[in-house]
Amino acid sequence: DAGVTQSPTHLIKTRGQQVTLRCSPKSGHDTVSWYQQALGQGPQFIFQYYEEEERQRGNFPDRFSGHQFPNYSSELNVNALLLGDSALYLCASSWAGSSYEQYFGPGTRLTVT
Amino acid sequence: EDKVVQSPLSLVVHEGDTVTLNCSYEVTNFRSLLWYKQEKKAPTFLFMLTSSGIEKKSGRLSSILDKKELFSILNITATQTGDSAIYLCAVETNAGKSTFGDGTTLTVKP
Repeated sequence: DAGVTQSPTHLIKTRGQQVTLRCSPKSGHDTVSWYQQALGQGPQFIFQYYEEEERQRGNFPDRFSGHQFPNYSSELNVNALLLGDSALYLCASSWAGSSYEQYFGPGTRLTVT
Repeated sequence: EDKVVQSPLSLVVHEGDTVTLNCSYEVTNFRSLLWYKQEKKAPTFLFMLTSSGIEKKSGRLSSILDKKELFSILNITATQTGDSAIYLCAVETNAGKSTFGDGTTLTVKP
């Protein structure tokens, strides 16, 4: 049973560019949450998708957007990249009908230069 | 705004020691408190706590929640070098939003 997978593993972008990160949830999970983890800090909640809709959103600007597909996979898009967007981006999946225990993917390390 | 504060920020102990990690929170519409262990990248789930006073145990790790005083502790007994990691505390709301603390970095020396 594959766990949560994310792609790419690492990414280097230039300020002002746009980036798309991808996440496939654990089998049987229907909810995907995205987090940004800067060095030395805990994960910060970006948003959560369920039934292809954004259900909850953290304190992130509109440059951060997402999508969930019918197969429950998800994308995180960040426009107009800033140096401060450099971080580890984590995806976590869960099943809405259970205890909300989340399983995390290995993350995508984004570096903005 | 929801808030989770962990202490200490870092801790260095020797193998065999017992450690206690703290997590206090302020959150609207509390659903659950979760503990995670982060070694390289992906945090791995340790415990989920929803009720006060009920200890959860897994081997040498245990955790308890106090919903009146709004805190939780994670205990690790007989520590091993493999316990070295960042321990994260997170609180979930009924709406499904998670707020994490900045973690406690535990270093266990041989």
